[in-house]
Amino acid sequence: EPEVTQTPSHQVTQMGQEVILRCVPISNHLYFYWYRQILGQKVEFLVSFYNNEISEKSEIFDDQFSVERPDGSNFTLKIRSTKLEDSAMYFCASSEGGQGTDTQYFGPGTRLTVL
Amino acid sequence: AQSVTQLGSHVSVSEGALVLLRCNYSSSVPPYLFWYVQYPNQGLQLLLKYTSAATLVKGINGFEAEFKKSETSFHLTKPSAHMSDAAEYFCAVSDGNFGNEKLTFGTGTRLTIIP
Repeated sequence: EPEVTQTPSHQVTQMGQEVILRCVPISNHLYFYWYRQILGQKVEFLVSFYNNEISEKSEIFDDQFSVERPDGSNFTLKIRSTKLEDSAMYFCASSEGGQGTDTQYFGPGTRLTVL
Repeated sequence: AQSVTQLGSHVSVSEGALVLLRCNYSSSVPPYLFWYVQYPNQGLQLLLKYTSAATLVKGINGFEAEFKKSETSFHLTKPSAHMSDAAEYFCAVSDGNFGNEKLTFGTGTRLTIIP
C-alpha cells in the first residue's frame, strides 16, 4: 500500500541553525501539507501546498518557514533559523484531491529537537 | 472558526469492554469529521470519516462513530476492546471548502487497555 515517508525520523540541531525536513508524498497525490505537534499538545496545521504554491498557511508559518517541491517526488519544509520553541514532531501529509472529503495520509513524522 | 473538543485525555478500559471516546465539534458550516489513530512511533492513520452521507460511520478495526448534529458530537465507539487498540486517538474537523481543506485536530485521547 502506498505511504507517505519522511526523513529523517529524528533531527537534533542547535538554535539558529537551518533545518530541512523531507517528505515523499504518495505518488498520485496533488495536495501536500505540513502539521506539527509540540509534545503534549494538539496537532496543528502549518501549511497546505498545491500546484507549486501555498494554498493556505497558519499564523505559525511565519517568514522563518518555507516549503518547496524541488522535484516530482519530494516535498520539503525548511526552517531558516530554528528556535527552541520549534522543537516538535513534524508530520507531512498528502491527499489526492483538495476537497474536505479527501483523506489526508500522514507520514510517520520527524521529531525535531532544538538545543 | 472550527474546532473540536475531546473529553478525557486518558481513557482506560478493560479488554473486552466497550470503548467510548468523546468528540464534540464547533463549525459554522456543515463539517466533515475524522478520527485518526496514532500508534507509538508511527504516523496518523485514518480510522473513519463523516462526509455528510450516513450518520453512522464504520471504520477499520471494528470502530464506528455516529454524527449527531443536535449534540454537535462525533463519538468513537468499539463494542469490545482489544489489547492492540492501545494508542492515541485524534478527532479532527474540516470545513470542506475546496482549497481550504486543512484539518483542525483535538488534543487527543490516549486509550489504555487493561488486561
